Amino acid sequence: EIVMTQSPATLSVSPGERVTLSCRASQSVSTNLAWYQQKPGQAPRLLISGASTRATGIPVTFSGSGSGTEFTLTIISLRSEDFAVYYCQQYNNWPYTFGQGTKLEI
Amino acid sequence: EVQLVESGGGLVQPGGSLRLSCGASGFTFSDYWMSWVRQAPGKGLEWVANIKQDGSEKDYVDSVKGRFTISRDNAKNVLYLQMIGLRAEDTAVYYCTRASRDVWGKGTTVTVSS
Repeated sequence: EIVMTQSPATLSVSPGERVTLSCRASQSVSTNLAWYQQKPGQAPRLLISGASTRATGIPVTFSGSGSGTEFTLTIISLRSEDFAVYYCQQYNNWPYTFGQGTKLEI
Repeated sequence: EVQLVESGGGLVQPGGSLRLSCGASGFTFSDYWMSWVRQAPGKGLEWVANIKQDGSEKDYVDSVKGRFTISRDNAKNVLYLQMIGLRAEDTAVYYCTRASRDVWGKGTTVTVSS
């Protein structure tokens, strides 16, 4: 099973700031990597697929990069609605696995 | 509108059974692999099972193999998850999703407790 490790677990930031979240895979997943945003009581929302392709309706303030084992999600100019938990997920090998999440808090 | 709506969750005793359903609308259900993903209270996400468009291929995470069965009815546009031998650690919100990850239901809650 591929283990996905996200860092940091929690990030305290302010509106308007730029943040970079990290995700590392225990073995190569090529670019078969997705990022999700989840708010309390809601289902995950797909932000990025293929490591860098924004999903439909996702603003350009979100960008993803990386390949192999190292990935990043960057959010420029944080807005209040961006405070949430962010998960990475690999879908290169079964079982598909998620990172433990990074919580963005004010 | 593309939509997935889960149902069938509830409280069940350890060792019991439950069948979850997920109704799909707004897209051609039979064109997509479909999946179940769960989230235990206060925990992260776990991808539980996948099923191919025609039901001929299925994948399960090790923790549910032999106890959960994913199936689908393309004529009714419904995805199922039959769960038997339920354990406390199966307590979670269960989400139905297209395997392309872009459409998710709101989830249905399964609680396994005596």
